Amino acid sequence: GIQVEQSPPDLILQEGANSTLRCNFSDSVNNLQWFHQNPWGQLINLFYIPSGTKQNGRLSATTVATERYSLLYISSSQTTDSGVYFCAVERSSASKIIFGSGTRLSIRP
Amino acid sequence: DAGVTQSPTHLIKTRGQHVTLRCSPISGHKSVSWYQQVLGQGPQFIFQYYEKEERGRGNFPDRFSARQFPNYSSELNVNALLLGDSALYLCASSLTGSGNTIYFGEGSWLTVV
Repeated sequence: GIQVEQSPPDLILQEGANSTLRCNFSDSVNNLQWFHQNPWGQLINLFYIPSGTKQNGRLSATTVATERYSLLYISSSQTTDSGVYFCAVERSSASKIIFGSGTRLSIRP
Repeated sequence: DAGVTQSPTHLIKTRGQHVTLRCSPISGHKSVSWYQQVLGQGPQFIFQYYEKEERGRGNFPDRFSARQFPNYSSELNVNALLLGDSALYLCASSLTGSGNTIYFGEGSWLTVV
């Protein structure tokens, strides 16, 4: 099956810093999403981005489908950005979403 | 509009018991999928349903079953509970189930003792 790898596994930053999270996947996909899981377990949809670039406030994401990776950028980090960020992909031939193992981000005040 | 709603939010069961978890998708969404997330890991796919038909199944034992109703709500059933079934169970909905944005509910925290 398709493999999804996220890096780094853990990231600790000071408030105001910028960060880049990476997601590599092993096969072509027709769906890629980034999620933020808060401390209460809620998965918040950040981006639906099977290809191209999108921006939403301090967050932006880029997926290069031909090279099988996606990047999530967080600028001017705030403590509320803390949590686990997941990348999830879906292959066109399979009706299931595969999650990476996540990046745990901790923003220190 | 209401988002994806799940019930119950928390529950404690004893080994060997049975549990039913419920999910209502976003209005207009016809696909529901279920995921299990154990502490420290990413969510693992269990089932996907679209228009009341099973579209996909993950690597879970036959103790896990699900169904989707005519109103597109869904139930996940787990029989003969094991300690290892303790996890956060997440439901997600999407328009058609493939190539669409998926939206998650807040989950059901299951503890098996």
